[in-house]
Amino acid sequence: QKEVEQDPGPLSVPEGAIVSLNCTYSNSAFQYFMWYRQYSRKGPELLMYTYSSGNKEDGRFTAQVDKSSKYISLFIRDSQPSDSATYLCAMSAAFQGGGADGLTFGKGTHLIIQP
Amino acid sequence: NAGVTQTPKFQVLKTGQSMTLQCAQDMNHEYMSWYRQDPGMGLRLIHYSVGAGITDQGEVPNGYNVSRSTTEDFPLRLLSAAPSQTSVYFCASSYLVNQPQHFGDGTRLSIL
Repeated sequence: QKEVEQDPGPLSVPEGAIVSLNCTYSNSAFQYFMWYRQYSRKGPELLMYTYSSGNKEDGRFTAQVDKSSKYISLFIRDSQPSDSATYLCAMSAAFQGGGADGLTFGKGTHLIIQP
Repeated sequence: NAGVTQTPKFQVLKTGQSMTLQCAQDMNHEYMSWYRQDPGMGLRLIHYSVGAGITDQGEVPNGYNVSRSTTEDFPLRLLSAAPSQTSVYFCASSYLVNQPQHFGDGTRLSIL
């Protein structure tokens, strides 16, 4: 099963708050985990890319993967109004070559940062 | 540094018309794909290609056709447009199928 679950929101928080966005998944073969940000009327852009379990930090963003719980998170510190967007998680299995199982996306969480 | 370029950005068609959505990438990526994005449905894979001359179907291929004659270009054809094909279409590319994909800014298509 390839299903990835993600709360659609909207999630509304005040400026400066810490934001936590989450996805759960059922396929234990997933090894690569990504977070995309999508502004209105734009394509998704890659924010974070991690392999297997652990944490990865990039500026105000931290991606966390817990493979034992099949749970991934994206934390945004000191949130800004410009962070208002839809955030999509994506993941893939560790294999080379073709196949329809490229990336499996969550449906996205709509985030609103209130000034 | 263009990345993934999609044209047109907007299009209105009448039921039964055909058209081609263009996608080009300048990153020498082998893997290219087409998605449609509908409210509440997320991104759904239509067709994909792992290299020039090789294409295959994704989750929702019916009513769409693709070809890949060069590494750079991956056009999507609507054979006979139907209102159910009203959507936002995204093209994406990556070096390998399981790596992060780079997206274009989409084509917003309305079928009347």
